[in-house]
Amino acid sequence: GNSVTQMEGPVTLSEEAFLTINCTYTATGYPSLFWYVQYPGEGLQLLLKATKADDKGSNKGFEATYRKETTSFHLEKGSVQVSDSAVYFCALKNNFNKFYFGSGTKLNVKP
Amino acid sequence: NAGVTQTPKFQVLKTGQSMTLQCAQDMNHEYMSWYRQDPGMGLRLIHYSVGAGITDQGEVPNGYNVSRSTTEDFPLRLLSAAPSQTSVYFCASSRRGVDTGELFFGEGSRLTVL
Repeated sequence: GNSVTQMEGPVTLSEEAFLTINCTYTATGYPSLFWYVQYPGEGLQLLLKATKADDKGSNKGFEATYRKETTSFHLEKGSVQVSDSAVYFCALKNNFNKFYFGSGTKLNVKP
Repeated sequence: NAGVTQTPKFQVLKTGQSMTLQCAQDMNHEYMSWYRQDPGMGLRLIHYSVGAGITDQGEVPNGYNVSRSTTEDFPLRLLSAAPSQTSVYFCASSRRGVDTGELFFGEGSRLTVL
């Protein structure tokens, strides 16, 4: 089957700290992988994506690499800002266009 | 650019009442879906549609009905609301195809069932 597991939060960091949010997946076939971000009171927005193994998605200083050998898609940022405080969702899309989401990781960044 | 529009944003119902959450997209997306978001459980797929006239069940379909008479609209109906349906509901759409991306989300509808 298809599923996504991501680290539980909340994650609390000081501004300019390094961020890693772990995400692993189980999938049949060759899924595409995504990170979505949800700011308070808003819907989800695409942060970055990768469509095949070894692809690196990047946006706004965030990066994630599609690792087929470890079935992982960890999200990283070298220096977080207060404005990065949000809930982050890892997701996969299978060959039938169905999306599967992780449970979300809340990030709090303190000044 | 309207994108995905959901209405209403907030709704309070009494147990047993019915209502419809509206969803419309103006991007000519074939694929539309409804999710519910509950604390600690992420997003769970309720129903989805791959085109007008075609719908299918997701992970948690019980208590919800959908129809897709046009490409643009994908309403979600609660026929007899229950407190367990208290949640935040998101409509999302995307183009079909293996290499196409992302889901585009509406801003959400917060439903409380008393």
